[in-house]
Amino acid sequence: SQQGEEDPQALSIQEGENATMNCSYKTSINNLQWYRQNSGRGLVHLILIRSNEREKHSGRLRVTLDTSKKSSSLLITASRAADTASYFCATVSHVYGQNFVFGPGTRLSVLP
Amino acid sequence: EPEVTQTPSHQVTQMGQEVILRCVPISNHLYFYWYRQILGQKVEFLVSFYNNEISEKSEIFDDQFSVERPDGSNFTLKIRSTKLEDSAMYFCASSAGGYYEAFFGQGTRLTVV
Repeated sequence: SQQGEEDPQALSIQEGENATMNCSYKTSINNLQWYRQNSGRGLVHLILIRSNEREKHSGRLRVTLDTSKKSSSLLITASRAADTASYFCATVSHVYGQNFVFGPGTRLSVLP
Repeated sequence: EPEVTQTPSHQVTQMGQEVILRCVPISNHLYFYWYRQILGQKVEFLVSFYNNEISEKSEIFDDQFSVERPDGSNFTLKIRSTKLEDSAMYFCASSAGGYYEAFFGQGTRLTVV
């Protein structure tokens, strides 16, 4: 069974629009992290949100966490073509130990 | 800004050969990880390492795999006898603590032929 699941699997938007990606998970967590991966490249850490936090901001990124629904969302405001990438959530929980369990990712395409 | 570095960026090897993938984690980090990503698929956990020993490993990490921190700075993943299905991007990561951000390297693309 999947610990983290992002939706949608793919998202295509126009430059300047906002992009929202969601992540759901099954077990209680210590924290949830969002990563970006450009095609064929490494994973870039974007933001970490702890289980006792509800919202965090970093530049154009806004992450929310709802532990009652076991879900998180990543909002990218005023998207740019350079935001085109795959976005992954990774959960860290006591159930799975201290390793990071990744979802399958959302592929975001921002069209100029 | 400190970063995790991995070498080589691309390795092609014959099936049955041994490969060693190398990583230099961020210097003051204590937890080290290897993950892999088969092309087009999700990122999968292989192993975590803390205090000079394996702290967790997945089902993928069978006895063909081993990890080592030989000199206090490098962190290596060895695959003893590679199979075609080992072809993937292998990522090393490190973090300052068990519940902190993990920073990933750029990956080594392993191709087994």
